[in-house]
Parts: sequence; C-alpha cells; structure tokens
Amino acid sequence: NAGVTQTPKFQVLKTGQSMTLQCAQDMNHEYMSWYRQDPGMGLRLIHYSVGAGITDQGEVPNGYNVSRSTTEDFPLRLLSAAPSQTSVYFCASSPGTGAGGIGNTIYFGEGSWLTVV
Amino acid sequence: AQSVTQLDSHVSVSEGTPVLLRCNYSSSYSPSLFWYVQHPNKGLQLLLKYTSAATLVKGINGFEAEFKKSETSFHLTKPSAHMSDAAEYFCVVSGTGGFKTIFGAGTRLFVKA
Repeated sequence: NAGVTQTPKFQVLKTGQSMTLQCAQDMNHEYMSWYRQDPGMGLRLIHYSVGAGITDQGEVPNGYNVSRSTTEDFPLRLLSAAPSQTSVYFCASSPGTGAGGIGNTIYFGEGSWLTVV
Repeated sequence: AQSVTQLDSHVSVSEGTPVLLRCNYSSSYSPSLFWYVQHPNKGLQLLLKYTSAATLVKGINGFEAEFKKSETSFHLTKPSAHMSDAAEYFCVVSGTGGFKTIFGAGTRLFVKA
C-alpha cells in the first residue's frame, strides 16, 4: 500500500519557470490537499479538493493552480515561480464519510523540497 | 473560525524525564484535535487524535493528550522521554472532512542524553 506519493522529492527552479508537483493516493480518499511548510509557520493550506472535479482555495492560494480530474491524482502547478515559493510542499489525503468526515486522519506524503533561485 | 496556538517553539528535556508540549485551540464548534510528529526531512505521522469520545487520548510511542474544554487545551505528554522522540510536533484542529485543517506553528523537542 503506497499511501500518498509525491514527486519530485527535490527540485530547483529559476524565477519565472513553471512546474507541476505530482500527488497520487491509492486509498480511494475523497479529500486531498496541498500544504506548504515554512520555518516557524507550521503548515499552511494552499488548495484542497473534496472530490473529483471540485477544488477550492486554502489560506495561501496565490501563484498556485490545482485540478482534480480523478480521485487518485491532485497535481499542484506553479504558474510562474518566485523565490517566495521556496518551501517544502506536502500533499495530503483523508477519507470522507456521510457525516463530512469529522475527525478523519490526514495522511501525508513525504514532501517535495522546492528551491526557486 | 478556528485557530491553534502552540505555546512553546522549543522544548528541551533530558532523556528519561517527562515531556509536556502545550497546545491551546479556538473553535466555534466541537473540534477534532490531532497531534502529528515530524522527524527531520520526513513527512508527518499521526500520534493521536481526539474526536469527542474519551477526553484522555492515548497515542503511539507512549504519548497521550488530554482534551480540556474549559481550558481550550490539548496538551501532549509522555512520562519518560527517549532520544528517538526528538522531532517537531504539530497540534492540529480540524473541521469537517479533514480539510480546512489548521496547524499550529510547531514545537521542536530536543532530548539530551
């Protein structure tokens, strides 16, 4: 059982370049999300999805784009990379229930270290 | 609106002594609360979670946390620290579906030999 898989693990980008961070889960989870982790700030939610075809913004969505064409995949696109987007990115998923999945455990990928120069 | 505050950015203990990591939360309804641990250059692992059942929650590796509604606290404790406990710990409050989840800023635990 692979869980949540993120690629690439490490990436260096030049300012203005675009790229896509891939995320896939094999647990048939309804909910998927992307976080960024910066020192002293915990994890901040970028975008999330409650199911295929449905996405919404989190706390820090600017400069990022997402889509959810399948239950399994939730890629994060950096449209024009900036040094402020240097961070560690985590993809996460959690199961949904009829009650909205209150208290469901969130499962995280191993992280993607992105440096923008 | 929900928020979570971890009261200490760093905690240092000696091996074999108790651990206390403090977390206060704010939520307009009954929250779900979690503690996650992150070892260096790794993803996040669930330690324990509270979902309105027993107020004292036991987790993995000897950790436990007590939900105190009157104090809006969810402090993490362990009776005896081990070197392998050195990591960063995150207190998390969650709304429905596990998304729109709010993380605390984290507490880094140092364990001295």
